[in-house]
Amino acid sequence: GAVVSQHPSRVICKSGTSVKIECRSLDFQATTMFWYRQFPKQSLMLMATSNEGSKATYEQGVEKDKFLINHASLTLSTLTVTSAHPEDSSFYICSASEPGLNYGYTFGSGTRLTVV
Amino acid sequence: AQSVTQLGSHVSVSEGALVLLRCNYSSSVPPYLFWYVQYPNQGLQLLLKYTSAATLVKGINGFEAEFKKSETSFHLTKPSAHMSDAAEYFCAVSETSGNTPLVFGKGTRLSVIA
Repeated sequence: GAVVSQHPSRVICKSGTSVKIECRSLDFQATTMFWYRQFPKQSLMLMATSNEGSKATYEQGVEKDKFLINHASLTLSTLTVTSAHPEDSSFYICSASEPGLNYGYTFGSGTRLTVV
Repeated sequence: AQSVTQLGSHVSVSEGALVLLRCNYSSSVPPYLFWYVQYPNQGLQLLLKYTSAATLVKGINGFEAEFKKSETSFHLTKPSAHMSDAAEYFCAVSETSGNTPLVFGKGTRLSVIA
């Protein structure tokens, strides 16, 4: 089946630095990818939708300049958390829509970001 | 706008007992419905999905769900709980075949007691 590889799985960074999270579709072309944020013991909150070759669409309340999303190819989407602060600490998960008539979504394994 | 309501943030069952996790949806168009399971610090794994074919959907690990349009429900069941079923379960809805994001319920944490 479709696989999305997300890296890193865990990252600790200092306040003020930037962190890049990568999501790669390994065996299919992901035209659309979604980025979610999950707080402890809570559900997934959609941050943005990215389409290959175009600008991402951000949900209301999500800072575009802080959470930079790039979807430069059909197999790679990246989320960069810029000038990270402790309140950005969270679990970030990407998801790709599966091609064809599969009506599915494949999720990455998530990235635990801790900003100290 | 679509939405999902999961009744019960925490469900506790004995090992071997029936598992029933409730999900009700709201959608202005025929929905696509999904159940996912999440283990701590991991991504989401698809259990099953409804895409307007058979209303009774069988998934992995013995789970199944029935789409009931009249009740706007998509409850998840498993006849006999295993300890390994303890996890967080999310019901989700989308209105298209994948180009729009999933809308998730708040999740139900399933505990299995030995």
